Amino acid sequence: TQLLKQSPQFLSIQEGENLTVYCNSSSVFSSLQWYRQEPGEGPVLLVTVVTGGEVKKLKRLTFQFGDARKDSSLHITAAQPGDTGLYLCAGPSGGYNKLIFGAGTRLAVHP
Amino acid sequence: EPEVTQTPSHQVTQMGQEVILRCVPISNHLYFYWYRQILGQKVEFLVSFYNNEISEKSEIFDDQFSVERPDGSNFTLKIRSTKLEDSAMYFCASILDSSSYNSPLHFGNGTRLTVT
Repeated sequence: TQLLKQSPQFLSIQEGENLTVYCNSSSVFSSLQWYRQEPGEGPVLLVTVVTGGEVKKLKRLTFQFGDARKDSSLHITAAQPGDTGLYLCAGPSGGYNKLIFGAGTRLAVHP
Repeated sequence: EPEVTQTPSHQVTQMGQEVILRCVPISNHLYFYWYRQILGQKVEFLVSFYNNEISEKSEIFDDQFSVERPDGSNFTLKIRSTKLEDSAMYFCASILDSSSYNSPLHFGNGTRLTVT
């Protein structure tokens, strides 16, 4: 069974700090996706990483896919209160875009 | 930007009752999904739907669940006889091209189902 484990589960930091959250698996994934979910809303796709070792940047967010395609990280530089939310990683399991999700990292950035 | 819309946003029902959750996917999308998220737990895949038929379903999606695309725009999830453990947030999602990494999965804002 493919599983995605995210750490830490919760993260509370001050505005301006840097942080990294992790998504790990014992299984190889063809790709991994990162989503952000706000209360009362559906997950919103941030990025898809496909190639082992790939690094993608989205403004202050840097996503990395591990060389072995079993793990991924999300690094946020100079976090802002608007970054507060639940960050989910997800990977395909089977065809037709059936995704399995990690449990998420709940980030709170305080002014 | 086009979006997936779901109605109602919150549905309260009694155990044993039938509920229908409605979704309008993005108009040119071809693949449709239902996921659910029990409070405090992971988002879980329920079912995928393509070309007017179920393409894959999870073990959660038992005989009490069914999906339908009755009119080319709506995509519905029916739970025939709800149980307390069906209480969850149900998300509809759609995608243009399931095989392309550049084709993002779009989620709706969900229907919160509460079974009492």
